[in-house]
Amino acid sequence: AQSVTQLGSHVSVSEGALVLLRCNYSSSVPPYLFWYVQYPNQGLQLLLKYTSAATLVKGINGFEAEFKKSETSFHLTKPSAHMSDAAEYFCAVSEDTSYDKVIFGPGTSLSVIP
Amino acid sequence: EPEVTQTPSHQVTQMGQEVILRCVPISNHLYFYWYRQILGQKVEFLVSFYNNEISEKSEIFDDQFSVERPDGSNFTLKIRSTKLEDSAMYFCASNSPGGPYNEQFFGPGTRLTVL
Repeated sequence: AQSVTQLGSHVSVSEGALVLLRCNYSSSVPPYLFWYVQYPNQGLQLLLKYTSAATLVKGINGFEAEFKKSETSFHLTKPSAHMSDAAEYFCAVSEDTSYDKVIFGPGTSLSVIP
Repeated sequence: EPEVTQTPSHQVTQMGQEVILRCVPISNHLYFYWYRQILGQKVEFLVSFYNNEISEKSEIFDDQFSVERPDGSNFTLKIRSTKLEDSAMYFCASNSPGGPYNEQFFGPGTRLTVL
């Protein structure tokens, strides 16, 4: 069975500082991995995805994530936080098929301090 | 850019009442999903639907829930007799097969409040 854990339910960073949101997954098959962002009272927006093409994945809004199979991790980073990055971030996994359900982690709430 | 739409954005109902949440997936997509998010918790898979039948359902998706694609565009989630614990945000998603990866496009959600 697949699962996702996210270390830290809440992360605070200063504006301009590095953002690091941690994600570890468990999967019995090669996974697809995703990061979604949810702004207050809004839906889920895909930030980036790993599909085995490249271990370093670049997404929207300056975010990127690195897939490390040996560590079963897919941490999300951004070099310089912006106030508009404050949101809930969900790491997610699905099986290596084109239609499998997506399993979400518990989420990390990111606050950006001016 | 095509998007998944959901109506209503907010539904308030009395416990025991039936509700139907509506979704219009992206037009050329063939796989459809419902997820829910109880306030402050993670997003949970409810059901997937393909070729006019359920592909997979979670243990949350009990006999009180049903899904239907009544026409070529809508995808609905029905809750027959709502309970207080059904209060949540419900997200619809759709996916097109044949792509190199599984990217589900999510709608904006319907917030269901059961009183």
